[in-house]
Amino acid sequence: QQQVKQSPQSLIVQKGGISIINCAYENTAFDYFPWYQQFPGKGPALLIAIRPDVSEKKEGRFTISFNKSAKQFSLHIMDSQPGDSATYFCAATLQAGTALIFGKGTTLSVSS
Amino acid sequence: GAVVSQHPSWVICKSGTSVKIECRSLDFQATTMFWYRQFPKQSLMLMATSNEGSKATYEQGVEKDKFLINHASLTLSTLTVTSAHPEDSSFYICSAKGQGGYEQYFGPGTRLTVT
Repeated sequence: QQQVKQSPQSLIVQKGGISIINCAYENTAFDYFPWYQQFPGKGPALLIAIRPDVSEKKEGRFTISFNKSAKQFSLHIMDSQPGDSATYFCAATLQAGTALIFGKGTTLSVSS
Repeated sequence: GAVVSQHPSWVICKSGTSVKIECRSLDFQATTMFWYRQFPKQSLMLMATSNEGSKATYEQGVEKDKFLINHASLTLSTLTVTSAHPEDSSFYICSAKGQGGYEQYFGPGTRLTVT
């Protein structure tokens, strides 16, 4: 019940295309859902996050879509660029101050 | 955005020695810090949670006597790997959270290699 399931494991997208990564959770007590971007040999960087009272949040080319009834949320990267090639992790947490529960990650490659 | 630093960025040590890794929040006060380890091409595995001035809470399976965590101030937490062995070689990453809010910010990580 504490798991966050992420798919796909890897993704190849053409430059300019839309990258979509999905996550699903079971615990309805989760109330914060961030996405992190990690480049090789670096720490994860907070990309965008959403609370369950909102169905969508957009920041630049990055959008989170949140479906509370389905217990799913997804990251959409519009106009994907080679510089977006990285590993993306979804996560969830029960309340402020508690540890994040991470998905297994998605390796995105954007081909030019 | 909030900045978290780690030092050193990489370290090589001999088996049986101890290594200390520092995690600092540079522009905010971190009431809670978290330590993770990450193996190649895998997700982050939480090792422990520490609140300033309190003992760390370790995840199941993490040896608290081997991985000593100290969170002595609102800007500094340290992880000491004692009597390191080759199987402790990994990428160690800290994250920090300020008072209020949910956002957690990660350090750049420390690559530990035990020979």
